[in-house]
Amino acid sequence: TQLLEQSPQFLSIQEGENLTVYCNSSSVFSSLQWYRQEPGEGPVLLVTVVTGGEVKKLKRLTFQFGDARKDSSLHITAAQPGDTGLYLCAGEASGYALNFGKGTSLLVTP
Amino acid sequence: DTAVSQTPKYLVTQMGNDKSIKCEQNLGHDTMYWYKQDSKKFLKIMFSYNNKELIINETVPNRFSPKSPDKAHLNLHINSLELGDSAVYFCASSRRAENIQYFGAGTRLSVL
Repeated sequence: TQLLEQSPQFLSIQEGENLTVYCNSSSVFSSLQWYRQEPGEGPVLLVTVVTGGEVKKLKRLTFQFGDARKDSSLHITAAQPGDTGLYLCAGEASGYALNFGKGTSLLVTP
Repeated sequence: DTAVSQTPKYLVTQMGNDKSIKCEQNLGHDTMYWYKQDSKKFLKIMFSYNNKELIINETVPNRFSPKSPDKAHLNLHINSLELGDSAVYFCASSRRAENIQYFGAGTRLSVL
């Protein structure tokens, strides 16, 4: 099993602040995905990064895949209360399933 | 139209009982999954089915038995429920070639 370590585990910030969430592994992944999960709901895909060094932007969210394809980061600029949720990184496992990191729980207060 | 739907949303039961969770997807996907999310929000794969055939069975007790009557359905039956089975169970589906997974809203199982 390819383990994914996420940090920080919890993050509580005020509206307007910037933040970065990290996802690290000792294994190489062909791709990494980021999901966001809101309370009472299932995870929803935000982005997939495939190429080493790739940077993808989704409005105020910037995702980066490490050059060696072992790590990824998610940066949120000017966080808003609507960004509150559990952020999960995931890499491909066997049988088309996903191995998930343990998640970063983000709370953005007004 | 909900893409991946699970029933029930909540399930409260006594230890030792047998229960089932149903999952249906209307996305035309060929692969379906069951994941378990524990109290610390760790999401772990339990089973993976492709075209109704089991392709992953992680270290899950054999009290858990998935059943896929067709490509659009993957149900989870649990025998002799234990306290440690309390968790949120998520069904998901994907198209094998893409591996973008679509999750249901989860079933919160509480074993008393």
